[in-house]
Amino acid sequence: SAVISQKPSRDICQRGTSLTIQCQVDSQVTMMFWYRQQPGQSLTLIATANQGSEATYESGFVIDKFPISRPNLTFSTLTVSNLSPEDSSIYLCSVEQGEETQYFGPGTRLLVL
Amino acid sequence: ELKVEQNPLFLSMQEGKNYTIYCNYSTTSDRLYWYRQDPGKSLESLFVLLSNGAVKQEGRLMASLDTKARLSTLHITAAVHDLSATYFCAGDTQGGSEKLVFGKGTKLTVNP
Repeated sequence: SAVISQKPSRDICQRGTSLTIQCQVDSQVTMMFWYRQQPGQSLTLIATANQGSEATYESGFVIDKFPISRPNLTFSTLTVSNLSPEDSSIYLCSVEQGEETQYFGPGTRLLVL
Repeated sequence: ELKVEQNPLFLSMQEGKNYTIYCNYSTTSDRLYWYRQDPGKSLESLFVLLSNGAVKQEGRLMASLDTKARLSTLHITAAVHDLSATYFCAGDTQGGSEKLVFGKGTKLTVNP
């Protein structure tokens, strides 16, 4: 199974600033996914990040707000820009390996004041 | 567009009792996943169901999939307090995209 780490684990940010979240996997994977979990809610996919190509964003999410980098097969970053209190959520990255399940990182808990 | 509905959203049960969580999905899904989330934690994979009639069991939890009915169930046998958590089902959109669409989750509380 994949081992995924995320940094930071939590942060408190002021509105108008940005936060970059890092996701590191212990093995090479083709696709990485970024999800958002708003307080008390389910998970919503933000975007899919393939190495060597632009990320694919889901409806309601745009690159200017959530720029993503995928420089290699084990690493990705998600930036949440121009923060507002509505961005307070848990952000999780995930990967899938073959026929196995999709594995999730520990999450980054963001609070925007 | 795939939609996933879970019910119930909240479930309070006594230790030792049995219960079932239901997960309906709107269109064909390649796989059906079940996850557990403890408060303040990430998602722990429980089961992935790949085909019609698939049944998987781990301890007191058993998951099944009926693709014709577009229904998956998570059955809890003789519940214990340690099973208290939120359980999510998710389907993946067809075509090998691996994008998951989650249900709203079922918050399970097992009372002594």
